[in-house]
Amino acid sequence: QVQLQESGPGLVKPSQTLSLTCTVSGGSISSGDYYWSWIRQPPGKGLEWIGYIYYSGSTYYNPSLKSRVTISVDTSKNQFSLKLSSVTAADTAVYYCARESNLALDGMDVWGQGTTVTVSS
Amino acid sequence: QSVLTQPPSVSGAPGQRVTISCTGSSSNIGAGYDVHWYQQLPGTAPKLLIYGNSNRPSGVPDRFSGSKSGTSASLAITGLQAEDEADYYCQSYDSSLSGLNWVFGGGTKLTVL
Repeated sequence: QVQLQESGPGLVKPSQTLSLTCTVSGGSISSGDYYWSWIRQPPGKGLEWIGYIYYSGSTYYNPSLKSRVTISVDTSKNQFSLKLSSVTAADTAVYYCARESNLALDGMDVWGQGTTVTVSS
Repeated sequence: QSVLTQPPSVSGAPGQRVTISCTGSSSNIGAGYDVHWYQQLPGTAPKLLIYGNSNRPSGVPDRFSGSKSGTSASLAITGLQAEDEADYYCQSYDSSLSGLNWVFGGGTKLTVL
């Protein structure tokens, strides 16, 4: 079955850019059947959707983060990536990648295990 | 402050029935957008529990059920078990001038007494 795995630095300095990658295994991003999303969860808090990308490269971002977020896809590597610029301590969180059917928005049915990112000098 | 409002906590004894509410507005649940529910066990990623308001993915016990009415949705858990102790989140879609946004509730911690 499809599995997602996040990877990237666990520590980022304030004002720098956070960069994470989600590797998809057991299925192809290029199938065109899914939106590929990033979601984050600050320590002890709830979930926040960051944005998604389609295999074609079209993206959609949370308006509250749009000015700092870039999501890209590399179909040759079956990966999609997140960049969040000008980070502050408020961006410290567990970051998850997930997929959702684009044919019917039926919820995010496959999630990665999450990766913890701490913003600190 | 979350767009969707959930109670911070609920509790119940083993075997009992509990419900978790998710209150939205005319721009999200009330606009007809579906509600999904996720279960997050301690230290793990969220798991899709209910999709499309009331549908269970394969493998989810029928003790879990969902419903939606007006601007609200509910998750019901019957025959409460110790393993159900977790955080539960509702999720829907919110339409605004800036477009469609994926929104979550603030989460509800379920304690099995």
